[in-house]
Amino acid sequence: DAGVIQSPRHEVTEMGQEVTLRCKPISGHNSLFWYRQTMMRGLELLIYFNNNVPIDDSGMPEDRFSAKMPNASFSTLKIQPSEPRDSAVYFCASRYLAGGDNEQFFGPGTRLTVL
Amino acid sequence: AQSVSQHNHHVILSEAASLELGCNYSYGGTVNLFWYVQYPGQHLQLLLKYFSGDPLVKGIKGFEAEFIKSKFSFNLRKPSVQWSDTAEYFCAGNSGGYQKVTFGIGTKLQVIP
Repeated sequence: DAGVIQSPRHEVTEMGQEVTLRCKPISGHNSLFWYRQTMMRGLELLIYFNNNVPIDDSGMPEDRFSAKMPNASFSTLKIQPSEPRDSAVYFCASRYLAGGDNEQFFGPGTRLTVL
Repeated sequence: AQSVSQHNHHVILSEAASLELGCNYSYGGTVNLFWYVQYPGQHLQLLLKYFSGDPLVKGIKGFEAEFIKSKFSFNLRKPSVQWSDTAEYFCAGNSGGYQKVTFGIGTKLQVIP
């Protein structure tokens, strides 16, 4: 298995531009998470989905952030408009929900720089 | 709120020294606990996990952790660290399979050759 796939790996954009981050979870996994990691705030959970349904989006910082999961194999995190304080590494993680073993597998991350 | 807390934010050790990183949780009832490692420039990888059974959990690369319910703790240990263990370590947990996993703030470990 290729693991969790994220694209792009690096994104540099100017303030005000729209940014779309993409994630392909591990095949068969039915739960997906978006995290943001910064030096100041550490690892923050932004939103997570179970069976493509958003369960908890309380970590989404502002209305500028939105996430979708149109099917079991794809999710996007969009920032519109982007701001310099959005610069961070964004991780996607997936897991198989079975009520027991719920280890999350992380993708390589997208390093976002907003100038 | 249910959470996980890590007390050591930055630890510096010499090679061959023993390691213990503290982690406490505040969940009641069923608890699932994890330790993840993040090497410089890389993503988080699972070191070990506890779901039930033997409270002493052995993970990869010689790491182990002990679940002590009476102390609400899940400390990570390694008897002899190596330079290659330099990384950030995250404790994480939840209160059941369908719940979101909460991560601690992380502990940066620097091992000096």
